[in-house]
Amino acid sequence: DIQMTQSPSSLSASVGDRVTITCQASQDISNYLNWYQQKPGKAPKLLIYDASNLETGVPSRFSGSGSGTDFTFTISSLQSEDIATYYCQQYDNLPRPLIFGGGTKVEIK
Amino acid sequence: EVQLVESGGGLVQPGGSLRLSCAASGFTFRSYDMHWVRQATGKGLEWVSLIDTAGDTYYADSVKGRFTISRENDKNSLYLQMNSLRTGDTAVYYCAGAVTGRFDYWGQGTLVTVSS
Repeated sequence: DIQMTQSPSSLSASVGDRVTITCQASQDISNYLNWYQQKPGKAPKLLIYDASNLETGVPSRFSGSGSGTDFTFTISSLQSEDIATYYCQQYDNLPRPLIFGGGTKVEIK
Repeated sequence: EVQLVESGGGLVQPGGSLRLSCAASGFTFRSYDMHWVRQATGKGLEWVSLIDTAGDTYYADSVKGRFTISRENDKNSLYLQMNSLRTGDTAVYYCAGAVTGRFDYWGQGTLVTVSS
């Protein structure tokens, strides 16, 4: 199975900071990667699909890039409401399994 | 408004069974692949099972042979029959609707606790 290595596992940043999270696949997955935000006690929410496409209604401060094995998720200017855990998810080997990265917990410094 | 509402979670002893349900509304249920994803307390997301629009089913190795996913398109409902439950199955179980590997819709989750 494809493995997804997400880093860092947690980070602390100030409001207004640029935040970057990386996700590395164990093999080439083209652009078959999505990013989700999960706030405490809530279900995940899709933010970015196909590596770089912003889901409708998601603020433009969120972005994604990459292809192949290396992917990046960026919050250009961290806001207090962005406190959450972020997950990458690959779907190169449909129909199964759909692998999630280990998550990155983002906190305010 | 899209809604996915899970039910059926609870406390069960190891070796026991539970059946989870997920009621969908606000989207064309039969056109979506439907998944179960679980999350143990304080842990990450783990994909469990998929039933696609054709009715074909797929499972994570950790639940294969113990869990059965099914759907009733006429009732806009998804199910997960869980047998031979283990303590390691303790988690919040989410149903999710997906198109081409992208989870567009999620339920609020239902907690399954396997403990003696």
